Amino acid sequence: AQTVTQSQPEMSVQEAETVTLSCTYDTSESDYYLFWYKQPPSRQMILVIRQEAYKQQNATENRFSVNFQKAAKSFSLKISDSQLGDAAMYFCAYRSRGVEYGNKLVFGAGTILRVKS
Amino acid sequence: NAGVTQTPKFQVLKTGQSMTLQCAQDMNHNSMYWYRQDPGMGLRLIYYSASEGTTDKGEVPNGYNVSRLNKREFSLRLESAAPSQTSVYFCASENYGYTFGSGTRLTVV
Repeated sequence: AQTVTQSQPEMSVQEAETVTLSCTYDTSESDYYLFWYKQPPSRQMILVIRQEAYKQQNATENRFSVNFQKAAKSFSLKISDSQLGDAAMYFCAYRSRGVEYGNKLVFGAGTILRVKS
Repeated sequence: NAGVTQTPKFQVLKTGQSMTLQCAQDMNHNSMYWYRQDPGMGLRLIYYSASEGTTDKGEVPNGYNVSRLNKREFSLRLESAAPSQTSVYFCASENYGYTFGSGTRLTVV
């Protein structure tokens, strides 16, 4: 079974600075998807960024980028120019590409990000 | 508004009571899911339905039942609530991308 580990329960960053959230995963598959989700206090689950394992290029969405290291099974999220609105719980998630696994998402435990003004 | 609608948003139950969490999506998605979120554990899959008429157990199915009533609706039932089922519950649907409901905070006392 696949597992996702987020080793940082909580992180802090100063407004306008850069922060990196860590995620590692374990799988025997070669093709899969990885995601970062943001959950603000409203509880809403918001997709931040998505990476397909067969793509070597790291995904980027505005101030958010990932460092995808397939061999090391590592998928970190970098947030540049941090803003107060970035404060939230962040979840790393894994999804098999094969439909036989039902397209289920496997989540890490989450990292609380606090942004200081 | 298109999306996933969950009801209720909050609920308090006494131990042993039963209830059904409702979920409906209007995006014509085939797959639907129920997750629970607990502190320090992320979201864990309870049950899922890959298509209308099928349901399968996830990681933590004990104490729950589900019904995929039609393509739109996927309900989660607690037959005899226990304090260990105190959690935030999320419904989601998927078709090349996940859409989550706004969650139900359930407290069992």
